[in-house]
Amino acid sequence: GAVVSQHPSRVICKSGTSVKIECRSLDFQATTMFWYRQFPKQSLMLMATSNEGSKATYEQGVEKDKFLINHASLTLSTLTVTSAHPEDSSFYICSARDHLGGPLNEQFFGPGTRLTVL
Amino acid sequence: QKEVEQDPGPLSVPEGAIVSLNCTYSNSAFQYFMWYRQYSRKGPELLMYTYSSGNKEDGRFTAQVDKSSKYISLFIRDSQPSDSATYLCAGMDSSYKLIFGSGTRLLVRP
Repeated sequence: GAVVSQHPSRVICKSGTSVKIECRSLDFQATTMFWYRQFPKQSLMLMATSNEGSKATYEQGVEKDKFLINHASLTLSTLTVTSAHPEDSSFYICSARDHLGGPLNEQFFGPGTRLTVL
Repeated sequence: QKEVEQDPGPLSVPEGAIVSLNCTYSNSAFQYFMWYRQYSRKGPELLMYTYSSGNKEDGRFTAQVDKSSKYISLFIRDSQPSDSATYLCAGMDSSYKLIFGSGTRLLVRP
């Protein structure tokens, strides 16, 4: 159980275009989903936290108008990178937290999406 | 200063060796400490977690936290080639936010 999928796994786009990444919890309901970015040989950096049915909370330094997050249902969150530039090239990983929680409020991670902006 | 510091490695050991992976942290608000394993081009998976100070053992893996020195360790006994991956330590604060180290790349040679 506790499977999180991401689509697409890899995307290459031209500079200036927008890219949408989907994150789905396959076998549980996730009231909260998280979006991380990981540059090569660096740690996962939290970009934003999204709660179902409400606006996302962005971390300091993350442009909310550039990284649009929609968490329309308990099993789906989307991240749209608008007007992508080469410096946005990175590995984007989502995680989801089961609404039933537990003492750890464990996050289950997706397999990631490799974005390359030419 | 980063909240969680971790030596990036790579760490190369022969099969069967005992592996010691370490992190230091600066945030006193961390309540849970985690170790994640991440294979290349995949998302991280939770290996173990500990609450506050102490040891926790699970098979060949032992996680250790020393809050007085803000030191986190993961020991792997009888290491196997399949243990080759990047290991990420993380601290979780009271809002359940995860702060990751940069990860240590481990290679276990057959």
